[in-house]
Amino acid sequence: EPEVTQTPSHQVTQMGQEVILRCVPISNHLYFYWYRQILGQKVEFLVSFYNNEISEKSEIFDDQFSVERPDGSNFTLKIRSTKLEDSAMYFCASSEGTGGGEKLFFGSGTQLSVL
Amino acid sequence: GQNIDQPTEMTATEGAIVQINCTYQTSGFNGLFWYQQHAGEAPTFLSYNVLDGLEEKGRFSSFLSRSKGYSYLLLKELQMKDSASYLCALQTAGGSYIPTFGRGTSLIVHP
Repeated sequence: EPEVTQTPSHQVTQMGQEVILRCVPISNHLYFYWYRQILGQKVEFLVSFYNNEISEKSEIFDDQFSVERPDGSNFTLKIRSTKLEDSAMYFCASSEGTGGGEKLFFGSGTQLSVL
Repeated sequence: GQNIDQPTEMTATEGAIVQINCTYQTSGFNGLFWYQQHAGEAPTFLSYNVLDGLEEKGRFSSFLSRSKGYSYLLLKELQMKDSASYLCALQTAGGSYIPTFGRGTSLIVHP
């Protein structure tokens, strides 16, 4: 079964450093998402991406965050200057379309630890 | 805005039946998802309800009442591997179909 893959599975960084989290969505999917989950808290929406541009973003997705689809397969989340509170599990997801009932397929996540 | 409420934790016995409730308030309802999330893993899709009533899929069923802002996930013949968090997620109408997740219910199945 096709799946969303994310790398790395774990990332440790120093506060103020830049990190890039990588994702390969399912190949025929057109919509891509980033969510995060702080330990013990709910899964929170960050951003959605379609047709090479951001389609929606949450309040969390401020100027320190950016997303890119650098080629036909990868989808990246960049955090320019990490803060302690960015420590979380980051999930990439993709969907074939958008609309009622369109289910999201999640990757296994990148655990980001900011020290 | 919207609000999703689920119990934080539930316990049940292997072989039993458990019902996990989700209540919600939203200005525009389009549908409701249930996802399963094992510890340290990604959420995986279980069910989607848009119309009132019960949707059955093997050991798992999901129910929706739009007028009451209420859904439940019913798990039958519980197995140890069903120990996980169960996430209720709202899909709202009016432009964005991006699901918003509740805090989830942690289900512990014991022998």
